[in-house]
Amino acid sequence: DVRLVESGGGLVKPGGSLKITCAASGFRFTDNSMNWVRQAPGKGLEWVSSISSKSTYMFYAESVKGRFTISRDNAKNSLDLQMSSLRAEDTAVYFCARGPYCTATSCHPDFDYWGQGTLVTVSS
Amino acid sequence: QSVLTQPPSASGTPGQGLNISCSGSRSNIGTNFVYWYQQLPERAPKLLVYRNIQRPSGVPDRFSGSKSGTSASLAISGLRSADEGDYYCAVWDDSLRGPVFGGGTKLTVL
Repeated sequence: DVRLVESGGGLVKPGGSLKITCAASGFRFTDNSMNWVRQAPGKGLEWVSSISSKSTYMFYAESVKGRFTISRDNAKNSLDLQMSSLRAEDTAVYFCARGPYCTATSCHPDFDYWGQGTLVTVSS
Repeated sequence: QSVLTQPPSASGTPGQGLNISCSGSRSNIGTNFVYWYQQLPERAPKLLVYRNIQRPSGVPDRFSGSKSGTSASLAISGLRSADEGDYYCAVWDDSLRGPVFGGGTKLTVL
Protein backbone atom coordinates (compact mmCIF):
# COMPACT_ATOMS: atom_id res chain seq x y z
CA ASP A 1 0.00 0.00 0.00
CA VAL A 2 1.13 3.53 -0.74
CA ARG A 3 2.08 5.34 2.43
CA LEU A 4 3.25 8.93 2.97
CA VAL A 5 4.27 9.98 6.47
CA GLU A 6 5.25 13.54 7.30
CA SER A 7 7.40 14.49 10.26
CA GLY A 8 9.40 17.38 11.66
CA GLY A 9 6.66 19.88 12.36
CA GLY A 10 6.66 21.97 15.51
CA LEU A 11 6.80 25.43 17.02
CA VAL A 12 9.31 27.89 15.61
CA LYS A 13 9.84 31.63 16.17
CA PRO A 14 9.28 34.17 13.40
CA GLY A 15 12.40 34.43 11.28
CA GLY A 16 13.44 30.91 12.23
CA SER A 17 14.00 27.79 10.15
CA LEU A 18 12.56 24.30 10.10
CA LYS A 19 12.86 21.22 7.91
CA ILE A 20 9.97 18.85 7.43
CA THR A 21 10.23 15.42 5.84
CA CYS A 22 7.95 12.97 4.08
CA ALA A 23 8.81 9.26 4.12
CA ALA A 24 7.31 7.36 1.20
CA SER A 25 6.70 3.64 0.81
CA GLY A 26 4.64 1.19 -1.19
CA PHE A 27 5.42 2.51 -4.67
CA ARG A 28 8.36 3.20 -6.96
CA PHE A 29 9.34 6.63 -5.64
CA THR A 30 11.28 7.57 -8.78
CA ASP A 31 8.14 7.28 -10.96
CA ASN A 32 6.40 10.28 -9.46
CA SER A 33 6.68 13.96 -8.75
CA MET A 34 6.26 14.89 -5.10
CA ASN A 35 4.49 17.91 -3.71
CA TRP A 36 3.79 19.96 -0.61
CA VAL A 37 0.36 21.46 0.03
CA ARG A 38 -0.51 23.38 3.19
CA GLN A 39 -3.65 24.33 5.03
CA ALA A 40 -3.72 27.15 7.54
CA PRO A 41 -6.05 26.62 10.53
CA GLY A 42 -9.65 26.87 9.36
CA LYS A 43 -8.60 27.80 5.82
CA GLY A 44 -8.44 26.16 2.41
CA LEU A 45 -5.72 24.25 0.61
CA GLU A 46 -2.69 26.11 -0.75
CA TRP A 47 -0.10 24.51 -3.02
CA VAL A 48 3.45 25.19 -1.79
CA SER A 49 5.99 23.39 -3.97
CA SER A 50 6.55 20.52 -6.42
CA ILE A 51 9.61 18.55 -7.49
CA SER A 52 9.89 16.28 -10.51
CA SER A 53 10.86 12.63 -10.22
CA LYS A 54 14.61 13.16 -10.79
CA SER A 55 14.74 16.67 -9.24
CA THR A 56 15.14 18.22 -12.67
CA TYR A 57 12.28 20.67 -12.18
CA MET A 58 11.15 22.48 -9.07
CA PHE A 59 8.22 24.84 -8.71
CA TYR A 60 7.33 27.17 -5.84
CA ALA A 61 4.35 29.29 -4.88
CA GLU A 62 5.13 33.01 -4.94
CA SER A 63 4.38 33.18 -1.23
CA VAL A 64 7.36 30.92 -0.39
CA LYS A 65 9.78 31.53 -3.26
CA GLY A 66 13.24 32.38 -1.98
CA ARG A 67 12.44 31.14 1.53
CA PHE A 68 11.56 27.45 1.05
CA THR A 69 13.58 24.75 -0.72
CA ILE A 70 12.15 21.42 -1.83
CA SER A 71 14.40 18.40 -2.29
CA ARG A 72 14.17 14.63 -2.52
CA ASP A 73 16.44 11.66 -1.93
CA ASN A 74 15.40 8.88 -4.29
CA ALA A 75 17.74 6.40 -2.59
CA LYS A 76 15.94 6.92 0.71
CA ASN A 77 12.41 7.47 -0.68
CA SER A 78 12.15 10.75 1.14
CA LEU A 79 11.01 14.30 0.40
CA ASP A 80 12.10 17.38 2.33
CA LEU A 81 10.96 20.96 2.64
CA GLN A 82 13.53 23.31 4.14
CA MET A 83 11.75 26.41 5.40
CA SER A 84 13.55 29.59 6.44
CA SER A 85 12.61 33.19 7.29
CA LEU A 86 9.36 31.78 8.62
CA ARG A 87 6.41 34.07 9.16
CA ALA A 88 3.23 33.78 11.18
CA GLU A 89 1.28 33.26 7.94
CA ASP A 90 3.29 30.08 7.28
CA THR A 91 1.48 28.44 10.20
CA ALA A 92 -0.34 25.48 8.70
CA VAL A 93 -0.63 21.74 8.41
CA TYR A 94 1.78 20.70 5.66
CA PHE A 95 0.71 17.72 3.55
CA CYS A 96 2.97 15.67 1.33
CA ALA A 97 1.25 14.41 -1.84
CA ARG A 98 2.24 12.10 -4.69
CA GLY A 99 1.88 13.59 -8.13
CA PRO A 100 2.25 12.79 -11.82
CA TYR A 101 5.14 13.21 -14.20
CA CYS A 102 6.23 16.85 -14.43
CA THR A 103 7.66 18.72 -17.40
CA ALA A 104 9.58 21.97 -17.56
CA THR A 105 6.33 23.85 -18.07
CA SER A 106 3.77 22.04 -15.93
CA CYS A 107 3.24 19.79 -12.95
CA HIS A 108 -0.48 19.12 -12.81
CA PRO A 109 -2.20 18.86 -9.39
CA ASP A 110 -3.08 15.18 -9.94
CA PHE A 111 -2.34 14.25 -6.31
CA ASP A 112 -3.55 10.69 -5.84
CA TYR A 113 -2.08 9.96 -2.41
CA TRP A 114 -1.67 12.26 0.57
CA GLY A 115 -0.05 11.99 3.96
CA GLN A 116 -1.84 12.95 7.15
CA GLY A 117 0.13 16.16 7.51
CA THR A 118 2.48 17.77 10.01
CA LEU A 119 1.65 20.99 11.86
CA VAL A 120 4.08 23.91 11.65
CA THR A 121 3.37 26.77 14.04
CA VAL A 122 5.26 30.05 13.70
CA SER A 123 4.84 32.12 16.84
CA SER A 124 6.92 34.01 19.36
CA GLN B 1 -8.48 35.46 -2.86
CA SER B 2 -8.00 32.45 -5.13
CA VAL B 3 -7.84 32.68 -8.93
CA LEU B 4 -10.43 29.88 -8.94
CA THR B 5 -13.85 30.87 -7.63
CA GLN B 6 -16.06 28.39 -5.80
CA PRO B 7 -19.22 29.05 -3.81
CA PRO B 8 -18.29 29.01 -0.11
CA SER B 9 -21.15 26.70 0.79
CA ALA B 10 -23.67 24.26 -0.66
CA SER B 11 -26.37 22.18 0.94
CA GLY B 12 -28.92 19.51 0.14
CA THR B 13 -31.03 16.83 1.71
CA PRO B 14 -30.23 13.11 1.64
CA GLY B 15 -30.88 11.61 -1.76
CA GLN B 16 -30.81 14.94 -3.57
CA GLY B 17 -28.23 15.99 -6.13
CA LEU B 18 -26.28 19.21 -6.49
CA ASN B 19 -23.48 20.88 -8.42
CA ILE B 20 -20.43 22.73 -7.16
CA SER B 21 -18.98 25.22 -9.62
CA CYS B 22 -15.41 26.34 -10.16
CA SER B 23 -14.75 29.40 -12.28
CA GLY B 24 -11.34 30.30 -13.64
CA SER B 25 -9.71 31.83 -16.67
CA ARG B 26 -8.01 30.97 -19.94
CA SER B 27 -4.62 30.47 -18.28
CA ASN B 28 -5.91 27.76 -15.96
CA ILE B 29 -9.24 25.98 -16.58
CA GLY B 30 -9.36 27.20 -20.18
CA THR B 31 -6.14 25.37 -21.01
CA ASN B 32 -5.52 22.61 -18.47
CA PHE B 33 -7.15 19.64 -16.78
CA VAL B 34 -9.28 20.20 -13.68
CA TYR B 35 -9.04 18.09 -10.54
CA TRP B 36 -11.49 17.80 -7.63
CA TYR B 37 -10.72 16.92 -4.02
CA GLN B 38 -12.90 15.95 -1.09
CA GLN B 39 -11.74 16.73 2.44
CA LEU B 40 -13.82 15.18 5.20
CA PRO B 41 -13.52 16.70 8.69
CA GLU B 42 -10.08 16.18 10.25
CA ARG B 43 -8.92 14.12 7.26
CA ALA B 44 -6.40 14.58 4.48
CA PRO B 45 -7.78 15.55 1.05
CA LYS B 46 -8.81 12.76 -1.29
CA LEU B 47 -8.74 12.88 -5.10
CA LEU B 48 -12.31 12.59 -6.45
CA VAL B 49 -11.96 13.54 -10.12
CA TYR B 50 -8.91 13.86 -12.34
CA ARG B 51 -8.45 15.14 -15.90
CA ASN B 52 -11.85 16.87 -15.83
CA ILE B 53 -14.06 13.81 -15.82
CA GLN B 54 -12.12 10.70 -14.73
CA ARG B 55 -12.73 8.97 -11.39
CA PRO B 56 -10.01 7.10 -9.50
CA SER B 57 -10.89 3.51 -8.65
CA GLY B 58 -13.01 3.34 -5.55
CA VAL B 59 -14.75 6.68 -6.08
CA PRO B 60 -18.48 6.06 -6.55
CA ASP B 61 -20.14 7.17 -9.77
CA ARG B 62 -22.33 9.50 -7.69
CA PHE B 63 -19.47 11.95 -8.18
CA SER B 64 -18.89 13.30 -11.68
CA GLY B 65 -16.87 16.15 -13.14
CA SER B 66 -17.39 18.33 -16.18
CA LYS B 67 -15.70 21.28 -17.82
CA SER B 68 -16.78 23.91 -20.32
CA GLY B 69 -14.61 26.82 -21.38
CA THR B 70 -13.17 28.47 -18.27
CA SER B 71 -15.53 26.78 -15.81
CA ALA B 72 -15.81 23.35 -14.28
CA SER B 73 -18.37 21.63 -12.14
CA LEU B 74 -18.57 18.72 -9.71
CA ALA B 75 -21.93 16.97 -9.60
CA ILE B 76 -22.90 14.87 -6.61
CA SER B 77 -26.02 12.72 -6.80
CA GLY B 78 -27.77 10.76 -4.06
CA LEU B 79 -26.38 12.90 -1.26
CA ARG B 80 -25.43 11.14 1.94
CA SER B 81 -24.51 12.50 5.36
CA ALA B 82 -21.06 10.95 4.86
CA ASP B 83 -20.51 13.40 1.98
CA GLU B 84 -20.37 16.35 4.39
CA GLY B 85 -17.05 18.11 4.12
CA ASP B 86 -15.09 20.51 1.96
CA TYR B 87 -14.65 20.23 -1.80
CA TYR B 88 -11.85 21.88 -3.77
CA CYS B 89 -11.12 22.28 -7.45
CA ALA B 90 -7.50 22.52 -8.59
CA VAL B 91 -5.75 23.20 -11.88
CA TRP B 92 -2.33 24.14 -13.25
CA ASP B 93 -2.08 27.87 -14.06
CA ASP B 94 0.17 28.71 -17.01
CA SER B 95 0.59 32.34 -15.93
CA LEU B 96 1.44 31.59 -12.30
CA ARG B 97 3.50 28.51 -13.25
CA GLY B 98 2.02 26.46 -10.48
CA PRO B 99 -1.16 24.65 -9.42
CA VAL B 100 -3.95 26.67 -7.87
CA PHE B 101 -6.79 25.53 -5.62
CA GLY B 102 -10.22 27.02 -5.40
CA GLY B 103 -11.25 28.51 -2.08
CA GLY B 104 -13.29 25.40 -1.26
CA THR B 105 -17.01 24.68 -0.88
CA LYS B 106 -18.38 23.45 2.42
CA LEU B 107 -21.08 20.86 1.76
CA THR B 108 -23.79 20.34 4.34
CA VAL B 109 -26.31 17.51 4.11
CA LEU B 110 -29.39 18.69 5.98
